[in-house]
Amino acid sequence: DGGITQSPKYLFRKEGQNVTLSCEQNLNHDAMYWYRQDPGQGLRLIYYSQIVNDFQKGDIAEGYSVSREKKESFPLTVTSAQKNPTAFYLCASSITGSSNQPQHFGDGTRLSIL
Amino acid sequence: AQSVAQPEDQVNVAEGNPLTVKCTYSVSGNPYLFWYVQYPNRGLQFLLKYITGDNLVKGSYGFEAEFNKSQTSFHLKKPSALVSDSALYFCAPFTSGAGSYQLTFGKGTKLSVIP
Repeated sequence: DGGITQSPKYLFRKEGQNVTLSCEQNLNHDAMYWYRQDPGQGLRLIYYSQIVNDFQKGDIAEGYSVSREKKESFPLTVTSAQKNPTAFYLCASSITGSSNQPQHFGDGTRLSIL
Repeated sequence: AQSVAQPEDQVNVAEGNPLTVKCTYSVSGNPYLFWYVQYPNRGLQFLLKYITGDNLVKGSYGFEAEFNKSQTSFHLKKPSALVSDSALYFCAPFTSGAGSYQLTFGKGTKLSVIP
């Protein structure tokens, strides 16, 4: 089955530590996205990538970094500069970034602070 | 700047009754409008979208949505609610401009269907 795989499902971060969340898709989609979900705030866009080796900041990029070296992979690093990282992180993909096609979502990674 | 409002944090409805989850938006130009559903500890699932044409859009699981341009609304509806419809629902306009393309999500409405 085609889809998006996020790992790990749960992740704990220590103070001053960087952590990386994995996102892999086998849908052959060009565009990929990272969202942060906090209770009562909906989803907020962190970074998105419309094509390999290119990505743009979303609304809340500070304290995060990404790479897009392969079409199927879009890892997110939560750096120590992100002072409030506890949240549910969702990765998504779509056929292209500039289309009206729906985004497909993974099942998320829940990040907590130790 | 684009924005979307889901005025109700929670909607309660009895099983078998019709349901409505409200959404209003403020975007420039003609938006593409989406509804997604989220079950606990899961990602979002696409329900339906409005691009152009008929104002009544039919989607997955018996859901439909009505686009109203004059009221800038895109309310989600279902004629007969099921307990399994209980979930978090998100309205999201898709906007593009200056090389930026993104969905703007509402804060979500929690739907509870009571047996």
